[in-house]
Amino acid sequence: SYVLTQPPSVSVAPGKTARITCGGNNIGSKSVHWYQQRPGQAPVLVMSHDSARPSGIPGRFSGSNSGNAATLTISMVEAADEADYYCQVWDRGDHLRVFGPGTKVTVL
Amino acid sequence: EVQLLESGGGLVQPGGSLRLSCAASGFTFSDYAMSWVRQAPDKGLEWVSTISGSEGNTNYADSVKGRFTISRDNSKNTMYLQMNSLRAEDTAVYYCVKDLIAYFEYWGQGTLVSVSP
Repeated sequence: SYVLTQPPSVSVAPGKTARITCGGNNIGSKSVHWYQQRPGQAPVLVMSHDSARPSGIPGRFSGSNSGNAATLTISMVEAADEADYYCQVWDRGDHLRVFGPGTKVTVL
Repeated sequence: EVQLLESGGGLVQPGGSLRLSCAASGFTFSDYAMSWVRQAPDKGLEWVSTISGSEGNTNYADSVKGRFTISRDNSKNTMYLQMNSLRAEDTAVYYCVKDLIAYFEYWGQGTLVSVSP
């Protein structure tokens, strides 16, 4: 089955930019979706289809996908952005949903 | 407003069974696929199973295939997960999720399943 990789952690100062990568074989040919999970809460969709922001998600969040890596970028990071972030793809052939292992974003 | 409310979690012995329910509101339930996603303590997210909206087609992760059964009752706007032959590694928070086939649009708050002697 398809395997996704993410860095375990990313640290960023307030007001700076955080970039979270999601690696996979030719992931650029798939749609990548991103979820934010704050401590003790359920996950929330923050980006769909590589770069589409759901209603209510701040414009500070953006996404891209090309080659073997997708990226979720958080600009002007705030304390509220501290959370675990998971990427996810749909394995169309096997009808499987696959998550990355998650990246913990720490705001310094 | 979409609401997804899970119930049925609890403590069960290894080899036992449990049935989870998810009551949905705020959207036309029968029009959408629904899924279960779980998260073991201090671990990442793991997709468990999906059921289509009206046809009832199902898919399962290899880790639960043959032990778990997903179903839905569109007349009651409710989805279920029958879990049999439970193992310690099934211990997790189980989330009910509105599934847009490629991705998960809305999540419930989850119900905790603990498998322990």
